[in-house]
Amino acid sequence: DGGITQSPKYLFRKEGQNVTLSCEQNLNHDAMYWYRQDPGQGLRLIYYSQIVNDFQKGDIAEGYSVSREKKESFPLTVTSAQKNPTAFYLCASSIIGREVGQPQHFGDGTRLSIL
Amino acid sequence: SQQGEEDPQALSIQEGENATMNCSYKTSINNLQWYRQNSGRGLVHLILIRSNEREKHSGRLRVTLDTSKKSSSLLITASRAADTASYFCATHVKGETSGSRLTFGEGTQLTVNP
Repeated sequence: DGGITQSPKYLFRKEGQNVTLSCEQNLNHDAMYWYRQDPGQGLRLIYYSQIVNDFQKGDIAEGYSVSREKKESFPLTVTSAQKNPTAFYLCASSIIGREVGQPQHFGDGTRLSIL
Repeated sequence: SQQGEEDPQALSIQEGENATMNCSYKTSINNLQWYRQNSGRGLVHLILIRSNEREKHSGRLRVTLDTSKKSSSLLITASRAADTASYFCATHVKGETSGSRLTFGEGTQLTVNP
Protein backbone atom coordinates (compact mmCIF):
# COMPACT_ATOMS: atom_id res chain seq x y z
CA ASP A 1 0.00 0.00 0.00
CA GLY A 2 1.35 3.40 -0.96
CA GLY A 3 1.42 6.12 1.62
CA ILE A 4 3.30 8.49 3.85
CA THR A 5 4.91 7.34 7.07
CA GLN A 6 5.79 9.77 9.81
CA SER A 7 7.81 8.76 12.84
CA PRO A 8 7.85 8.86 15.73
CA LYS A 9 4.19 9.38 16.61
CA TYR A 10 5.14 11.18 19.84
CA LEU A 11 8.38 13.04 20.56
CA PHE A 12 9.67 14.95 23.54
CA ARG A 13 12.31 17.63 23.35
CA LYS A 14 14.54 18.84 26.12
CA GLU A 15 15.64 22.44 26.44
CA GLY A 16 18.39 23.31 23.94
CA GLN A 17 18.01 20.08 22.01
CA ASN A 18 17.52 19.59 18.28
CA VAL A 19 15.11 16.85 17.27
CA THR A 20 14.42 15.34 13.85
CA LEU A 21 11.04 14.20 12.58
CA SER A 22 11.02 11.57 9.87
CA CYS A 23 8.79 11.57 6.78
CA GLU A 24 8.96 8.85 4.12
CA GLN A 25 6.67 8.35 1.13
CA ASN A 26 6.40 5.53 -1.40
CA LEU A 27 3.93 7.31 -3.68
CA ASN A 28 6.64 8.45 -6.10
CA HIS A 29 5.55 12.04 -5.51
CA ASP A 30 7.88 14.87 -6.46
CA ALA A 31 6.65 17.44 -3.96
CA MET A 32 6.76 17.16 -0.18
CA TYR A 33 5.64 19.54 2.57
CA TRP A 34 5.89 20.12 6.30
CA TYR A 35 3.08 21.80 8.23
CA ARG A 36 2.63 22.80 11.82
CA GLN A 37 -0.82 22.58 13.45
CA ASP A 38 -1.57 24.17 16.81
CA PRO A 39 -4.65 23.11 18.83
CA GLY A 40 -7.91 24.11 17.17
CA GLN A 41 -6.13 25.81 14.30
CA GLY A 42 -5.36 25.27 10.66
CA LEU A 43 -2.12 24.24 8.99
CA ARG A 44 0.83 26.57 8.60
CA LEU A 45 3.49 25.74 6.03
CA ILE A 46 7.04 25.37 7.37
CA TYR A 47 9.01 24.15 4.32
CA TYR A 48 8.30 22.50 1.02
CA SER A 49 10.31 20.79 -1.69
CA GLN A 50 9.41 20.21 -5.31
CA ILE A 51 12.54 18.34 -6.33
CA VAL A 52 15.45 16.51 -4.76
CA ASN A 53 18.19 18.76 -3.33
CA ASP A 54 15.94 21.83 -3.43
CA PHE A 55 13.48 23.26 -0.91
CA GLN A 56 11.78 26.56 -0.10
CA LYS A 57 10.77 28.28 3.11
CA GLY A 58 7.11 28.46 3.93
CA ASP A 59 5.39 30.94 6.21
CA ILE A 60 7.00 29.89 9.50
CA ALA A 61 10.47 28.48 8.66
CA GLU A 62 12.38 30.15 11.50
CA GLY A 63 13.78 27.59 13.95
CA TYR A 64 13.34 24.69 11.53
CA SER A 65 15.56 23.05 8.90
CA VAL A 66 15.00 20.36 6.26
CA SER A 67 16.89 18.30 3.72
CA ARG A 68 15.78 16.48 0.58
CA GLU A 69 18.56 14.08 -0.39
CA LYS A 70 16.19 11.41 -1.68
CA LYS A 71 12.84 11.67 -3.42
CA GLU A 72 11.21 9.48 -0.80
CA SER A 73 12.43 11.31 2.30
CA PHE A 74 11.97 14.81 3.71
CA PRO A 75 13.13 14.99 7.36
CA LEU A 76 12.38 18.06 9.48
CA THR A 77 14.71 19.21 12.24
CA VAL A 78 13.26 21.34 15.00
CA THR A 79 16.21 23.31 16.31
CA SER A 80 16.78 24.85 19.72
CA ALA A 81 16.11 28.21 18.08
CA GLN A 82 12.41 27.29 17.85
CA LYS A 83 11.25 28.53 21.24
CA ASN A 84 7.71 27.22 21.06
CA PRO A 85 7.94 23.85 19.33
CA THR A 86 4.98 22.13 21.02
CA ALA A 87 2.59 21.29 18.17
CA PHE A 88 1.31 18.59 15.83
CA TYR A 89 3.57 18.27 12.77
CA LEU A 90 2.16 16.97 9.50
CA CYS A 91 4.05 15.86 6.43
CA ALA A 92 2.39 15.72 3.02
CA SER A 93 3.25 14.95 -0.58
CA SER A 94 1.77 15.55 -4.01
CA ILE A 95 2.48 14.99 -7.66
CA ILE A 96 3.58 17.87 -9.81
CA GLY A 97 1.44 17.66 -12.89
CA ARG A 98 0.29 19.83 -15.73
CA GLU A 99 -2.46 21.16 -13.50
CA VAL A 100 -1.30 23.30 -10.58
CA GLY A 101 -2.46 22.82 -7.01
CA GLN A 102 -2.60 19.03 -6.96
CA PRO A 103 -4.25 17.33 -3.96
CA GLN A 104 -1.92 16.51 -1.09
CA HIS A 105 -1.60 13.20 0.73
CA PHE A 106 -0.84 13.36 4.44
CA GLY A 107 0.90 11.26 7.02
CA ASP A 108 -0.61 10.74 10.46
CA GLY A 109 1.57 13.30 12.15
CA THR A 110 4.10 13.60 14.95
CA ARG A 111 3.11 15.25 18.21
CA LEU A 112 6.06 17.14 19.68
CA SER A 113 6.12 18.28 23.30
CA ILE A 114 8.68 20.00 25.50
CA LEU A 115 9.96 18.20 28.58
CA SER B 1 -4.48 36.79 7.71
CA GLN B 2 -5.66 33.43 6.41
CA GLN B 3 -6.43 33.05 2.72
CA GLY B 4 -9.25 30.67 3.62
CA GLU B 5 -11.61 31.19 6.52
CA GLU B 6 -14.21 28.60 7.42
CA ASP B 7 -17.59 29.31 8.92
CA PRO B 8 -18.86 28.20 11.34
CA GLN B 9 -15.90 27.30 13.56
CA ALA B 10 -17.97 24.51 15.10
CA LEU B 11 -21.18 22.76 14.08
CA SER B 12 -23.18 20.16 16.01
CA ILE B 13 -26.03 18.26 14.35
CA GLN B 14 -28.04 15.07 14.70
CA GLU B 15 -27.44 11.99 12.61
CA GLY B 16 -29.41 12.12 9.38
CA GLU B 17 -29.35 15.92 9.14
CA ASN B 18 -27.39 17.83 6.50
CA ALA B 19 -24.24 19.76 7.41
CA THR B 20 -23.13 22.88 5.55
CA MET B 21 -19.74 24.49 5.97
CA ASN B 22 -18.53 27.64 4.25
CA CYS B 23 -15.13 28.89 3.19
CA SER B 24 -14.22 32.40 2.12
CA TYR B 25 -10.96 33.46 0.55
CA LYS B 26 -9.29 36.70 -0.38
CA THR B 27 -7.42 36.37 -3.68
CA SER B 28 -8.09 34.73 -7.05
CA ILE B 29 -7.58 31.01 -7.10
CA ASN B 30 -6.89 28.19 -9.54
CA ASN B 31 -8.75 25.64 -7.45
CA LEU B 32 -10.23 25.05 -4.03
CA GLN B 33 -10.06 21.78 -2.14
CA TRP B 34 -11.78 20.33 0.91
CA TYR B 35 -10.04 18.02 3.38
CA ARG B 36 -11.19 16.08 6.40
CA GLN B 37 -9.18 15.44 9.58
CA ASN B 38 -10.17 12.93 12.22
CA SER B 39 -8.90 13.70 15.71
CA GLY B 40 -5.16 13.08 16.01
CA ARG B 41 -4.78 11.99 12.39
CA GLY B 42 -3.59 13.47 9.11
CA LEU B 43 -5.80 15.21 6.57
CA VAL B 44 -7.62 13.30 3.86
CA HIS B 45 -8.46 14.91 0.54
CA LEU B 46 -12.20 14.92 -0.20
CA ILE B 47 -12.86 16.94 -3.32
CA LEU B 48 -11.32 19.53 -5.65
CA ILE B 49 -13.24 22.20 -7.56
CA ARG B 50 -11.59 24.30 -10.25
CA SER B 51 -12.12 28.04 -10.62
CA ASN B 52 -14.18 27.52 -13.78
CA GLU B 53 -16.53 25.04 -12.08
CA ARG B 54 -19.57 25.99 -10.02
CA GLU B 55 -20.62 22.72 -8.43
CA LYS B 56 -19.25 19.25 -7.87
CA HIS B 57 -20.59 16.08 -6.28
CA SER B 58 -18.92 13.08 -4.73
CA GLY B 59 -21.14 10.58 -2.95
CA ARG B 60 -22.85 12.46 -0.09
CA LEU B 61 -20.65 15.53 -0.64
CA ARG B 62 -21.66 18.55 -2.66
CA VAL B 63 -19.30 21.48 -3.16
CA THR B 64 -20.16 24.82 -4.68
CA LEU B 65 -17.86 27.64 -5.69
CA ASP B 66 -18.79 31.27 -6.25
CA THR B 67 -15.72 33.09 -7.53
CA SER B 68 -17.55 36.44 -7.63
CA LYS B 69 -18.08 36.20 -3.87
CA LYS B 70 -14.81 34.36 -3.27
CA SER B 71 -16.59 31.65 -1.34
CA SER B 72 -17.26 27.92 -1.35
CA SER B 73 -19.56 25.65 0.57
CA LEU B 74 -19.35 21.98 1.47
CA LEU B 75 -22.62 20.14 2.04
CA ILE B 76 -22.66 16.71 3.64
CA THR B 77 -26.06 15.09 3.23
CA ALA B 78 -27.62 12.49 5.54
CA SER B 79 -24.79 12.84 8.04
CA ARG B 80 -23.51 9.93 10.11
CA ALA B 81 -21.69 9.80 13.43
CA ALA B 82 -18.60 8.71 11.45
CA ASP B 83 -18.61 12.12 9.69
CA THR B 84 -17.50 13.71 12.97
CA ALA B 85 -14.21 15.42 12.12
CA SER B 86 -12.64 18.77 11.28
CA TYR B 87 -13.08 19.99 7.72
CA PHE B 88 -10.62 22.35 6.04
CA CYS B 89 -10.68 24.24 2.79
CA ALA B 90 -7.43 24.84 0.92
CA THR B 91 -6.75 27.07 -2.05
CA HIS B 92 -4.16 27.21 -4.77
CA VAL B 93 -3.72 30.93 -5.29
CA LYS B 94 -3.53 32.23 -8.86
CA GLY B 95 -0.06 33.59 -9.49
CA GLU B 96 1.49 31.42 -6.81
CA THR B 97 5.02 30.80 -8.04
CA SER B 98 5.01 27.29 -6.64
CA GLY B 99 2.86 24.99 -8.72
CA SER B 100 2.07 22.86 -5.72
CA ARG B 101 1.67 25.08 -2.68
CA LEU B 102 -1.77 25.24 -1.00
CA THR B 103 -3.04 27.62 1.67
CA PHE B 104 -5.27 26.08 4.34
CA GLY B 105 -8.05 27.67 6.37
CA GLU B 106 -8.61 27.16 10.08
CA GLY B 107 -11.30 24.52 9.77
CA THR B 108 -14.81 23.70 10.93
CA GLN B 109 -15.25 21.14 13.70
CA LEU B 110 -18.29 19.02 12.85
CA THR B 111 -19.92 16.84 15.50
CA VAL B 112 -22.66 14.44 14.44
CA ASN B 113 -24.63 13.12 17.39
CA PRO B 114 -26.09 9.60 17.14
